[in-house]
Amino acid sequence: GQQLNQSPQSMFIQEGEDVSMNCTSSSIFNTWLWYKQDPGEGPVLLIALYKAGELTSNGRLTAQFGITRKDSFLNISASIPSDVGIYFCAGPFYGGSQGNLIFGKGTKLSVKP
Amino acid sequence: DAGVTQSPTHLIKTRGQQVTLRCSPKSGHDTVSWYQQALGQGPQFIFQYYEEEERQRGNFPDRFSGHQFPNYSSELNVNALLLGDSALYLCASSFSPGQGDEQFFGPGTRLTVL
Repeated sequence: GQQLNQSPQSMFIQEGEDVSMNCTSSSIFNTWLWYKQDPGEGPVLLIALYKAGELTSNGRLTAQFGITRKDSFLNISASIPSDVGIYFCAGPFYGGSQGNLIFGKGTKLSVKP
Repeated sequence: DAGVTQSPTHLIKTRGQQVTLRCSPKSGHDTVSWYQQALGQGPQFIFQYYEEEERQRGNFPDRFSGHQFPNYSSELNVNALLLGDSALYLCASSFSPGQGDEQFFGPGTRLTVL
């Protein structure tokens, strides 16, 4: 079945550094979504990508839809302490007329002030 | 504009009991999906409701059932609870059709089965 592989699993960085993480799949996805989850909370949608090659920004966050449609990347520039959390990539699995989401296992980000 | 709300926040049950979790979707949304998130894992899709019917179902046993009401709110029921059902249960809403792939999550219900 469809699986999303995220890397790295965890990152420890210094405040102010840039961060890069990625998500790959053996199957093609038509949409890539990036979520952030804080402890004890639900995932919050950061960026949605709908077109191969698309590059979309949301403040200090930039995400790209890979040209092969089998991968996506998320970059965070000039990290700050509130960037701490778990970042998930997700994509819709079209088992029916409406896609449910498949999630990766997440990248846990820790920021040292 | 209220986002997705869930109740209760936390719940403790014992094995064999039954539980009902509730979700109100974001204003303007008509589709509700339920996910189970075990510790250290990404959310796993349970099922999705649209027009008061189950539209899709993930790989979960029949002990997991749901309902959607005319106001689009939804319930998740789990019967004969097992220890392994302990998890964060997330509700997500979206608008169908349209950008239905963008699902917005509630804060979740933390279920502990003893």
